[in-house]
Amino acid sequence: KQEVTQIPAALSVPEGENLVLNCSFTDSAIYNLQWFRQDPGKGLTSLLLIQSSQREQTSGRLNASLDKSSGRSTLYIAASQPGDSATYLCAVGDNDMRFGAGTRLTVKP
Amino acid sequence: DAGITQSPRHKVTETGTPVTLRCHQTENHRYMYWYRQDPGHGLRLIHYSYGVKDTDKGEVSDGYSVSRSKTEDFLLTLESATSSQTSVYFCAISADSSGQPQHFGDGTRLSIL
Repeated sequence: KQEVTQIPAALSVPEGENLVLNCSFTDSAIYNLQWFRQDPGKGLTSLLLIQSSQREQTSGRLNASLDKSSGRSTLYIAASQPGDSATYLCAVGDNDMRFGAGTRLTVKP
Repeated sequence: DAGITQSPRHKVTETGTPVTLRCHQTENHRYMYWYRQDPGHGLRLIHYSYGVKDTDKGEVSDGYSVSRSKTEDFLLTLESATSSQTSVYFCAISADSSGQPQHFGDGTRLSIL
């Protein structure tokens, strides 16, 4: 059974700082890895999807990397802003997607 | 935003009653999913559909059934609700299970007393 772990569980940084969120998974035979953000009381917003044949994806200030051999993915956020405050979730798989517990990010003005 | 509507958004009901949650999409996507989100357990897949009348079980399917009679609608039914099914339920859609992202609705908060 695929297990997905996200570290740290919570992170607080000052505005403008670059930061990295980590995601690890136990089974390297994955199809996709997807990063989401979730605001309180809301649904999930898809940020980036990395297919198993890819190494990274970029969207604006976000960059996600995938290393299947080590079972790890990172989400890099450049020049963080207070609006980036949310819980960030990674998920692995295709139809039967398994989620990590998330990292709760707070960006202080 | 992906065109996904979940109804109702909030519901309170009693143990033993049947409950049906509806997910409606306007994107004509083939794949639809039901998840539940609980503190300490995160998001877990209940059931999913890969086409009209085509469904399969997820990680936590016991006590739930689903139906998909039209591309745009995916129903989740709790035949006899229990307190352990109190949760936030999310619907998601995807055009392709392997290369396209899943997009989520805003959720239904269900309380079973």
